[in-house]
Amino acid sequence: EIVLTQSPGTLSLSPGERATLSCRTSQYISSNYIAWYRQRFGQAPRLLIYAASSRATGIPDRFSGSGSGTDFTLTISRLEPEDFAVYYCQMFGTSPYPFGQGTKLEIK
Amino acid sequence: QVQLVESGGGLVKPGGSLRLSCVVSGFNFSDYYMSWIRQAPGKGLEWVSSISISGTYIWYADSVKGRFTISRDNAEDSLYLQMNSLRAEDTALYYCARGNSYAPGPYSYWGQGTLLTVSS
Repeated sequence: EIVLTQSPGTLSLSPGERATLSCRTSQYISSNYIAWYRQRFGQAPRLLIYAASSRATGIPDRFSGSGSGTDFTLTISRLEPEDFAVYYCQMFGTSPYPFGQGTKLEIK
Repeated sequence: QVQLVESGGGLVKPGGSLRLSCVVSGFNFSDYYMSWIRQAPGKGLEWVSSISISGTYIWYADSVKGRFTISRDNAEDSLYLQMNSLRAEDTALYYCARGNSYAPGPYSYWGQGTLLTVSS
């Protein structure tokens, strides 16, 4: 079973700064099957990135995804107040379809 | 617009059963894979189950296999999760989510969730 490990667990930054979030998989994953979600407090998750680097509909270009193999990255170029939330990566190639444990992005 | 509305959550005793429903609108339900994802209080997201467009293919997390059954009614634009032999660790907010036309994910639309509490 594939395990997704996100780091760091918590990231403390200020608005306007750049955020880099990591997702490492325990086995090789096709980049087609990696997605990133943002979950604000009390809300349902929202899809940000699919196929490792494609932005979902309505997602601003300050969000970008990259990576291949076992290492994937979500980058937020300039943090806005609404970006302080929890971020999850997920793979959905072959069942099961696990999520990472999440990275909490908090205001410094 | 696309909407997914879950219902059926509540308080259940350990060993009990419950059926969750998810009614969708704003898209052609019968064109998409669907899934259930849950989130225990204060915890992360856990994938529970997915179902293909026709219901031919179904997948479950090991934690629910043999106890939960996912199904869909394309004529009613509805997704279901029958949950039996419930345990305290099944307590969570249960989300339904829309996948792709050709794969279970990614989840481009989510409902707001329905809360299941398993407690005596």
